[in-house]
Amino acid sequence: EPEVTQTPSHQVTQMGQEVILRCVPISNHLYFYWYRQILGQKVEFLVSFYNNEISEKSEIFDDQFSVERPDGSNFTLKIRSTKLEDSAMYFCASNEQGRNQPQHFGDGTRLSIL
Amino acid sequence: EDQVTQSPEALRLQEGESSSLNCSYTVSGLRGLFWYRQDPGKGPEFLFTLYSAGEEKEKERLKATLTKKESFLHITAPKPEDSATYLCAVQAGRYSGGGADGLTFGKGTHLIIQP
Repeated sequence: EPEVTQTPSHQVTQMGQEVILRCVPISNHLYFYWYRQILGQKVEFLVSFYNNEISEKSEIFDDQFSVERPDGSNFTLKIRSTKLEDSAMYFCASNEQGRNQPQHFGDGTRLSIL
Repeated sequence: EDQVTQSPEALRLQEGESSSLNCSYTVSGLRGLFWYRQDPGKGPEFLFTLYSAGEEKEKERLKATLTKKESFLHITAPKPEDSATYLCAVQAGRYSGGGADGLTFGKGTHLIIQP
């Protein structure tokens, strides 16, 4: 069964450094999403992406964050200058038809900011 | 603001002991309600989508139902492998030109099935 893959599984970074989290969505999917889950808290929506542009973003997704689809298979989340509070699990998701359709999640990247 | 509240936060059952998990939601125009299962260290795994009040979906020992204010996930004769955190999420009817709407999740119910 096709799946969303995320790399790395664990990223450790010094505060203030830039970090890029990578995702390979399911191949025929056109809609892409990033979520985060701080330890012990709920999964929170960050941003959605369709047709090479941001479709929707939450209040969490400020100027420190950016997303990109650099080629036909990868989808990335960049955090420009990491803070301690950015430590969380980051999940990528995708679906074929966007609205009303289930989103399929990867197993996440655990980001630890020191 | 969309809100999702799940109860109980944790539930411990004996193998074979049926029960129900609750998801209450407040959303401006529900487009869909989604149930996911999450195992430790893993991403949410899709279980069901419900679109309108009165709708029901079933899969093995799980059955999801939807009313205008809440959804239930019924677990019949559970097995230890059903132990996981069950997440409920809603998608609201906000206008989004691209159609890629984010989900609002509840905190989940941590279910433990003891043999």
